[in-house]
Amino acid sequence: DAKTTQPTSMDCAEGRAANLPCNHSTISGNEYVYWYRQIHSQGPQYIIHGLKNNETNEMASLIITEDRKSSTLILPHATLRDTAVYYCIAEATNTGKLIFGQGTTLQVKP
Amino acid sequence: GAVVSQHPSWVICKSGTSVKIECRSLDFQATTMFWYRQFPKQSLMLMATSNEGSKATYEQGVEKDKFLINHASLTLSTLTVTSAHPEDSSFYICSASSVEGAGINYEQYFGPGTRLTVT
Repeated sequence: DAKTTQPTSMDCAEGRAANLPCNHSTISGNEYVYWYRQIHSQGPQYIIHGLKNNETNEMASLIITEDRKSSTLILPHATLRDTAVYYCIAEATNTGKLIFGQGTTLQVKP
Repeated sequence: GAVVSQHPSWVICKSGTSVKIECRSLDFQATTMFWYRQFPKQSLMLMATSNEGSKATYEQGVEKDKFLINHASLTLSTLTVTSAHPEDSSFYICSASSVEGAGINYEQYFGPGTRLTVT
């Protein structure tokens, strides 16, 4: 699995968009970009995934650069409940193995 | 979304005893289940992958004789920590996925975790 690099922590004002970057410069052609988040003392929660194209669902948007070496997770209107550790993972679907890095701790402030 | 449960949610046991943790997929059939361990203020570490009806595949450095994994059905996997010691105290999390269509795994659904404390 490709290694991903994320900032250790970020702050965001409540109601504003939270943009979380992720670098995955060694990603392979068959590896998807997945985003999960973990709220304190809970199991991780799936957010979104993509291969090449930008993706959007009810939780977030995922923007993947054309060369696929980086991506950005966008929470359009962050709330206090979005405070969590966000993990960006590059994973080949045929293995199913998610290798978690250190993630980004997002603190949403009132 | 799909629901994965774990039981118990927390357990305290004495050093030298064994503890079994159950992971169940409640509304879907999980062809593959994964077990993770998480120490305080650290990320999740994958321990093993289990497929229904076959032996689990352990990650490097994980003792298979200490962490026994059984995936007897498409909705249940168990992790048994044998001869537990204080250093095994951790947050144990399972996840489950199902293979769709052309054999592609997409989302993994995580359980709420089990906090194990060994005294």
